[in-house]
Amino acid sequence: DAKTTQPTSMDCAEGRAANLPCNHSTISGNEYVYWYRQIHSQGPQYIIHGLKNNETNEMASLIITEDRKSSTLILPHATLRDTAVYYCIVRVAQGGSEKLVFGKGTKLTVNP
Amino acid sequence: DAMVIQNPRYQVTQFGKPVTLSCSQTLNHNVMYWYQQKSSQAPKLLFHYYDKDFNNEADTPDNFQSRRPNTSFCFLDIRSPGLGDAAMYLCATSSPRGGWDSEQFFGPGTRLTVL
Repeated sequence: DAKTTQPTSMDCAEGRAANLPCNHSTISGNEYVYWYRQIHSQGPQYIIHGLKNNETNEMASLIITEDRKSSTLILPHATLRDTAVYYCIVRVAQGGSEKLVFGKGTKLTVNP
Repeated sequence: DAMVIQNPRYQVTQFGKPVTLSCSQTLNHNVMYWYQQKSSQAPKLLFHYYDKDFNNEADTPDNFQSRRPNTSFCFLDIRSPGLGDAAMYLCATSSPRGGWDSEQFFGPGTRLTVL
């Protein structure tokens, strides 16, 4: 089973920041938090991941609480193309290869 | 560009007629995965190969098999498709040798219809 809980859906105005929360209260000390998104009828796309520290890349920022029990994905200036299902995933190590267990995700709709 | 390719993008088969979906990658990644995604659901891992080692998920039906003849190619065989096997099938790759926290790269998926 997925180890994360996310809101089912969120709306965001184009050009504004989209803040997507995720709870992972049972995360282990060596498990990473990953974010992927899936635009309709496409394969999932990697966004960002982190362990303890906040992370930023060209797509997004990831804020992880100090106790690591929750995190927030931030899309700083959402565009219509960011409309997608966003999955927060705690990576389960499996014999040297990673195993992603997807939860239900958050459907983000960016409105004009 | 290096990528994960899935063919065909759309596949129609008949109930009970064996079908094979293919995946190829130019990333030279040593791990390849197959996920099943039914309508309005999240992707679910069926199995994966770590190099030549096959790793099946406990709840993957025996109806689903996989082959990996070389690093670049991986096949998903459905021996006797049922109506409940209609889904999007996603192939992904990763390279743990690139780091313990390496990401997975997904192909565009093959949408399977069973008539």
